Amino acid sequence: GAGVSQSPRYKVAKRGQDVALRCDPISGHVSLFWYQQALGQGPEFLTYFQNEAQLDKSGLPSDRFFAERPEGSVSTLKIQRTQQEDSAVYLCASSLGGTGTLNTEAFFGQGTRLTVV
Amino acid sequence: DAKTTQPPSMDCAEGRAANLPCNHSTISGNEYVYWYRQIHSQGPQYIIHGLKNNETNEMASLIITEDRKSSTLILPHATLRDTAVYYCIVRVATGGAGNMLTFGGGTRLMVKP
Repeated sequence: GAGVSQSPRYKVAKRGQDVALRCDPISGHVSLFWYQQALGQGPEFLTYFQNEAQLDKSGLPSDRFFAERPEGSVSTLKIQRTQQEDSAVYLCASSLGGTGTLNTEAFFGQGTRLTVV
Repeated sequence: DAKTTQPPSMDCAEGRAANLPCNHSTISGNEYVYWYRQIHSQGPQYIIHGLKNNETNEMASLIITEDRKSSTLILPHATLRDTAVYYCIVRVATGGAGNMLTFGGGTRLMVKP
């Protein structure tokens, strides 16, 4: 497809369960971002990839959160031992350029709504 | 990145212009003003950005004051589909990790028939 695709759209997990959220960025986009959006709040940055390299993971809230992009395209955000406070919408965004590129617009997916019960 | 201040909510009549203000008094010389919007249950969508000159595209116009401490996003003829949360973001324009967006609370625009 032409846009950023995320799956699943909705995920319900029992507390303590591990989950994996997938992001298919726009083909050829170098940069990939993950954001977390709590209900009624703006998105908050989690982590950034340039191709397969994870250059910034300063926003990951705990060591239960792990992200990878092994071949520089599809990315997976994994949350281990989910907690209720992990309930949120997880958004993926991609942009064409990498470091040093000017003004590259970010394209967002529709997000995955995670509910931990 | 500099912080922004936006009103939490605004109403606009369908067909009228919607003028959304944003204050960014601590903006640096190399920071751009970006606008994104988020329609319910969707991811944020890029609208427009500018440095110091006014900008216009097919979606909106961006007016930046001469001192760059504030800006206004203008939707010239608002429709019901423009109902969304609008985020004003200031950041450097270089790519890579610098493309990370810092979202504030945004303005919830309600377009009414």
